[in-house]
Amino acid sequence: SQQGEEDPQALSIQEGENATMNCSYKTSINNLQWYRQNSGRGLVHLILIRSNEREKHSGRLRVTLDTSKKSSSLLITASRAADTASYFCATDLGNDMRFGAGTRLTVKP
Amino acid sequence: EAGVAQSPRYKIIEKRQSVAFWCNPISGHATLYWYQQILGQGPKLLIQFQNNGVVDDSQLPKDRFSAERLKGVDSTLKIQPAKLEDSAVYLCASSLLAGAKNIQYFGAGTRLSVL
Repeated sequence: SQQGEEDPQALSIQEGENATMNCSYKTSINNLQWYRQNSGRGLVHLILIRSNEREKHSGRLRVTLDTSKKSSSLLITASRAADTASYFCATDLGNDMRFGAGTRLTVKP
Repeated sequence: EAGVAQSPRYKIIEKRQSVAFWCNPISGHATLYWYQQILGQGPKLLIQFQNNGVVDDSQLPKDRFSAERLKGVDSTLKIQPAKLEDSAVYLCASSLLAGAKNIQYFGAGTRLSVL
């Protein structure tokens, strides 16, 4: 069964705009990770945020985590056409990691 | 550093036939995962190995799916016999550690079509 649920399911923006994707989960976690998947490829790890962290940055990515609400968000600033992909949150439950259904992001040039 | 290698990239079979997928993880990675990704969904864990031992196979349909990781390196996933609903991408991933902070590195996957 899938643990995380991303919202929205699909997002279409213009190049240069910011993209925000949300993830909600159900049980306590050790950490939460975000992955990107380009069409026809495997997943690529983007960023990991521990359960005791509230915010983390990596380049144009900003991730927040609210354990009280069991939710996380991924912000991509100044989006580029190359950011077009599916984005998945993954909740680490210890020896078990569960992926959500993903948000399909399209960035139009 | 070489990534996770999977083969074949594509496979088309008829229902009730058998199929096998192969995965070579990143050198030194003790943990290996097989996922099933149905179109439009996120990856679903089928089985997790720690070295050559099974850590979690709770979501593996054991009546038709089997997996092994001999010598704690390469792994094969087999489906026998295949059903139409097995059509999916099968992803292999590996990580240095299991448990918390286990960043996973994925292969490109094998796309299976069952006709």
